[in-house]
Amino acid sequence: AQSVTQLDSQVPVFEEAPVELRCNYSSSVSVYLFWYVQYPNQGLQLLLKYLSGSTLVESINGFEAEFNKSQTSFHLRKPSVHISDTAEYFCAVSEMDSSYKLIFGSGTRLLVRP
Amino acid sequence: NAGVMQNPRHLVRRRGQEARLRCSPMKGHSHVYWYRQLPEEGLKFMVYLQKENIIDESGMPKERFSAEFPKEGPSILRIQQVVRGDSAAYFCASSRTSETTGELFFGEGSRLTVL
Repeated sequence: AQSVTQLDSQVPVFEEAPVELRCNYSSSVSVYLFWYVQYPNQGLQLLLKYLSGSTLVESINGFEAEFNKSQTSFHLRKPSVHISDTAEYFCAVSEMDSSYKLIFGSGTRLLVRP
Repeated sequence: NAGVMQNPRHLVRRRGQEARLRCSPMKGHSHVYWYRQLPEEGLKFMVYLQKENIIDESGMPKERFSAEFPKEGPSILRIQQVVRGDSAAYFCASSRTSETTGELFFGEGSRLTVL
């Protein structure tokens, strides 16, 4: 069975500072990895995903995540955050043959302060 | 708004009552998924439906919970004889095909409070 751990429930950071949101997973099979974001009063949106190939994946709004198989991690980073990045971020995994069945972490609330 | 629509957004029920949560998928999507988020936990998969068929209900509690996605109309998640432990946010998601590679389109959720 897979599981996802997001150790930080909340990460406060000042605007324009770098940020890293941590995600570790456990699985006995190969998995896909995802970061979803939930802005206030909205549904979850896919931010980025790792399926195969390059271990570094990027989103259109400056976030990136790196798949580290040896450390079973998929940390999310951004070199300079904006106020508008304030949201809840969920890391998730799925097995390749049932990719609709996402296993989510408990989420990290990113709070960007001016 | 062409996104996944869920209603009601908030629902309050007393113990023993029934709760019905509705989900209209995105236009052109025929695959629907229900997830539940208990307080302080991540979302957990409940059920996957395609029009008139339940494809995977491995995450559904064995009793009191049922789901349907009729040929016409929204998908319905029904909880009978609710208990306090059913208080949670229920999220619906949809996709165009079964080959999602994990990209699901989520609604804003329905928050159920059981008094």
